[in-house]
Amino acid sequence: AQSVTQLDSQVPVFEEAPVELRCNYSSSVSVYLFWYVQYPNQGLQLLLKYLSGSTLVKGINGFEAEFNKSQTSFHLRKPSVHISDTAEYFCAVNYGGSQGNLIFGKGTKLSVKP
Amino acid sequence: DAGVTQSPTHLIKTRGQQVTLRCSPKSGHDTVSWYQQALGQGPQFIFQYYEEEERQRGNFPDRFSGHQFPNYSSELNVNALLLGDSALYLCASSPGTGVTDTQYFGPGTRLTVL
Repeated sequence: AQSVTQLDSQVPVFEEAPVELRCNYSSSVSVYLFWYVQYPNQGLQLLLKYLSGSTLVKGINGFEAEFNKSQTSFHLRKPSVHISDTAEYFCAVNYGGSQGNLIFGKGTKLSVKP
Repeated sequence: DAGVTQSPTHLIKTRGQQVTLRCSPKSGHDTVSWYQQALGQGPQFIFQYYEEEERQRGNFPDRFSGHQFPNYSSELNVNALLLGDSALYLCASSPGTGVTDTQYFGPGTRLTVL
């Protein structure tokens, strides 16, 4: 079955430290990959997406992610986090080419401490 | 430019009742999708509306129904509410139905069923 696994439910880090949020998906011939962020009491905001082309994708707020087909991963990274990055992050994978085939992971709560 | 708006923000209902949630898409968007986000989970696709018709449906029972109006706004109706229907209901709009069309999410309606 198609699935998305976010390996860490919570990630605490100190301000200005680097962070990596991990995401793995079940293998498929064609996938489209997304990272969303959800701040408290708000909807989801798209951080970045991989549709095709370069495997290193840059997004908003200094985040980037790398598509690794052999490891079926799409990890999100930021070299230096801020307090304002505290939020929940969702990895999502589209397996079928239509929006309804978008499957979300369970989310990773990033807590940035001063 | 207003983003995606949803109403109401919060709602409390009792088992067996019916509820209607509303969504206004971002300006210029003609496609609306609805998602259910249970506590501690990622969003799950309910259905998508385009040109006033349901185009795609996730794994949800017929108790969940919807409608799209000529101005592209949409309603989600849930009949015979169950305790398990308690969740955050997210509306997302996009300028088309394709996977490359970015979905913009509203802040959600939190439904509590007692």
